[in-house]
Amino acid sequence: GAVVSQHPSRVICKSGTSVKIECRSLDFQATTMFWYRQFPKQSLMLMATSNEGSKATYEQGVEKDKFLINHASLTLSTLTVTSAHPEDSSFYICTSKIGDTQYFGPGTRLTVL
Amino acid sequence: GQQVMQIPQYQHVQEGEDFTTYCNSSTTLSNIQWYKQRPGGHPVFLIQLVKSGEVKKQKRLTFQFGEAKKNSSLHITATQTTDVGTYFCAGDSGYALNFGKGTSLLVTP
Repeated sequence: GAVVSQHPSRVICKSGTSVKIECRSLDFQATTMFWYRQFPKQSLMLMATSNEGSKATYEQGVEKDKFLINHASLTLSTLTVTSAHPEDSSFYICTSKIGDTQYFGPGTRLTVL
Repeated sequence: GQQVMQIPQYQHVQEGEDFTTYCNSSTTLSNIQWYKQRPGGHPVFLIQLVKSGEVKKQKRLTFQFGEAKKNSSLHITATQTTDVGTYFCAGDSGYALNFGKGTSLLVTP
């Protein structure tokens, strides 16, 4: 099946720094990728939809200036958490869809100290 | 917007007992998917149900999709300790997935 990779798998950073997370579709082209966030012991919440060559669509309550999404190619979407704070510590997962099937990246665990 | 409710939030069973988690959507779904997540891991796809009234089985797991395509259930027969984890349903309205809050299953030997 299709493969989605994410990098890094884990990142620890200091409060106030920015962190970039990459999501790649390895064997297919993804015009759309979805970014989810999962806080500890909670469900996955859709943050934004990344569209290749155009602006991302953000869900209500997600700050677009804080979570910068760039989808510059058909195989790469990046999520940058700017000026990260401890409350941004979470598990970030990207997915892409082929037909009705969602393919998940392995996730990035962000810890902000 | 679409809401997906899942119950129960937690379930603690003895090994060998059955387990069921239920999922309800506020809107009709194009399909529903089930995922299992172990602590520290990412959600792993289990199955997708597309047709109204569909029932699918995977060994001890039985998945059902309601006739109205708004509810679903996952039933595990004779649980084992390897079944421990959080089970999420996710409704697909044709766009992104909308996840339920999950049911955390604990199985004690």
